[in-house]
Amino acid sequence: ELKVEQNPLFLSMQEGKNYTIYCNYSTTSDRLYWYRQDPGKSLESLFVLLSNGAVKQEGRLMASLDTKARLSTLHITAAVHDLSATYFCAGSSNTGKLIFGQGTTLQVKP
Amino acid sequence: DVKVTQSSRYLVKRTGEKVFLECVQDMDHENMFWYRQDPGLGLRLIYFSYDVKMKEKGDIPEGYSVSREKKERFSLILESASTNQTSMYLCASSLGTANNSPLHFGNGTRLTVT
Repeated sequence: ELKVEQNPLFLSMQEGKNYTIYCNYSTTSDRLYWYRQDPGKSLESLFVLLSNGAVKQEGRLMASLDTKARLSTLHITAAVHDLSATYFCAGSSNTGKLIFGQGTTLQVKP
Repeated sequence: DVKVTQSSRYLVKRTGEKVFLECVQDMDHENMFWYRQDPGLGLRLIYFSYDVKMKEKGDIPEGYSVSREKKERFSLILESASTNQTSMYLCASSLGTANNSPLHFGNGTRLTVT
């Protein structure tokens, strides 16, 4: 059964700094998703990663996938306050279910 | 833009009541899902459906049932609500399993069972 674990679960950082959120998964997942959730809001899709070595970037966020290591990363470059949110990764099980990690709450301080 | 609408934003129910959570999507998506979200546990899948009148158990189906009589509507039913079902419930939809499209989520229903 696919299990997805994120770390850290909470991240407080200064504006302008770089940091990485890690997402490990336990068995084969043919795709990996990243979502963002603002407080009191629903989840918004950020990235879909489909193959080993896939890298996608939007603004200050870059996501990558290493299927051999069963690891995806979400890298934040020069963080700004607007990036404060909870970020979830999710893997796709062989039955098509999306299994989510616990979420990483990012707080960017001015 | 895909719209997934959950009928209630907040609900307060008593222990033992039967509770219906409704979800409607407007993009003709085949797949629909119900998750619950609890602090520190992320999202956990309760039930999902790949087609009308079809349902599959997720990871935590106990105490819940679902109904999908029409393609656009997926209902979550708590047969006899209990306090440990107090949670945020999120409905989502997506295109068919062969497609790599992400899930589109509704705004959630925060259910409190007293």
